[in-house]
Amino acid sequence: KAGVTQTPRYLIKTRGQQVTLSCSPISGHRSVSWYQQTPGQGLQFLFEYFSETQRNKGNFPGRFSGRQFSNSRSEMNVSTLELGDSALYLCASSGQTGHYGYTFGSGTRLTVV
Amino acid sequence: DAKTTQPTSMDCAEGRAANLPCNHSTISGNEYVYWYRQIHSQGPQYIIHGLKNNETNEMASLIITEDRKSSTLILPHATLRDTAVYYCIVKYYGGSQGNLIFGKGTKLSVKP
Repeated sequence: KAGVTQTPRYLIKTRGQQVTLSCSPISGHRSVSWYQQTPGQGLQFLFEYFSETQRNKGNFPGRFSGRQFSNSRSEMNVSTLELGDSALYLCASSGQTGHYGYTFGSGTRLTVV
Repeated sequence: DAKTTQPTSMDCAEGRAANLPCNHSTISGNEYVYWYRQIHSQGPQYIIHGLKNNETNEMASLIITEDRKSSTLILPHATLRDTAVYYCIVKYYGGSQGNLIFGKGTKLSVKP
């Protein structure tokens, strides 16, 4: 079956702009989580959506937001981009609780200049 | 913060078993031990998980000590493609606890 698809793979944005990243989960998976990975902070949890509802949120400023659609596809948005937002953004999907593991996409590499 | 402690790096000869240790001394009774790995520039990949019994699948074996304060991931015949960062994670099962808390992991280098 198809894996988790993230688009775009690479993105370059200017400080102050906003960006929207997309994630299509594995068919049948209703949970979608987002993570940010940077060399300094490693992998950090952003938020998780299940059945269109955010049910868990990490410690990130309000500039980071997300949503999930009825087909379980998810988007995350970052407004007023800062240089420090440059990172690999990873999406993961799973069944209801992730008990049997999360499947990650290949990520979107965001560079803010 | 991550609830696990792992060595920063390890080397392993190709074809030999790779044994990756993890300490999780504060693990609670309803938390599972999960292992993921991340090959350079890819998303993390789920390997295996367990509660208190030893587990084995097609990728690896997981040995959890009786007191559950530590575990070892075993790759029985390491190949060059197993070079990656390996993350040991403890996670509550069920409910709304849907996120993984990653530590720094162990960078495993498999050498010819």
